[in-house]
Amino acid sequence: KAGVTQTPRYLIKTRGQQVTLSCSPISGHRSVSWYQQTPGQGLQFLFEYFSETQRNKGNFPGRFSGRQFSNSRSEMNVSTLELGDSALYLCASSLRLAGGDTQYFGPGTRLTVL
Amino acid sequence: DQQVKQNSPSLSVQEGRISILNCDYTNSMFDYFLWYKKYPAEGPTFLISISSIKDKNEDGRFTVFLNKSAKHLSLHIVPSQPGDSAVYFCAASAAKSQAGTALIFGKGTTLSVSS
Repeated sequence: KAGVTQTPRYLIKTRGQQVTLSCSPISGHRSVSWYQQTPGQGLQFLFEYFSETQRNKGNFPGRFSGRQFSNSRSEMNVSTLELGDSALYLCASSLRLAGGDTQYFGPGTRLTVL
Repeated sequence: DQQVKQNSPSLSVQEGRISILNCDYTNSMFDYFLWYKKYPAEGPTFLISISSIKDKNEDGRFTVFLNKSAKHLSLHIVPSQPGDSAVYFCAASAAKSQAGTALIFGKGTTLSVSS
């Protein structure tokens, strides 16, 4: 079974631009979560989607948003990019709502903001 | 305030010996715990998990122990192999709470296994 895939793998943007990242979960998985990894803050939860609805949201500004499609694929969008948004963005999928269920991670998208 | 803490940033072990990685948590609502292994520029790879109704779970060379009263869990790798060298993350979630779906991660422990 194919794992979680994320596109693109690498992205370079400039301050003020916006970016959209894509995630395809493991086949049959309905929950998709997004995380940000930075050297200073570690791995931090952004949000989770299940059945096209945002079920949980971390402590990030409104510039960070996401959505999920009927086929469970998910996108996250960051508007008005700041230098501090440079990070590895990770997507994870699980069969059910992720609490109490194992989340499997994709390879990540490395975003660099110049 | 860190809810999941991995107090040892690094650990060095010889091949064939036991590696013990530790994790402490503060939120008593956490009821599901996981360990992930991660290489640079890659996503975390799931290793093993444990529910709060258990105190031990084994999978091959990996065993996770949970001490709920001490709010402490540990990952034992026996025997350690050079290929185990990576960053190990402890993560927790509170499945029954409103915000239970998020995984809260520790800062990680870098394990180096020498041959």
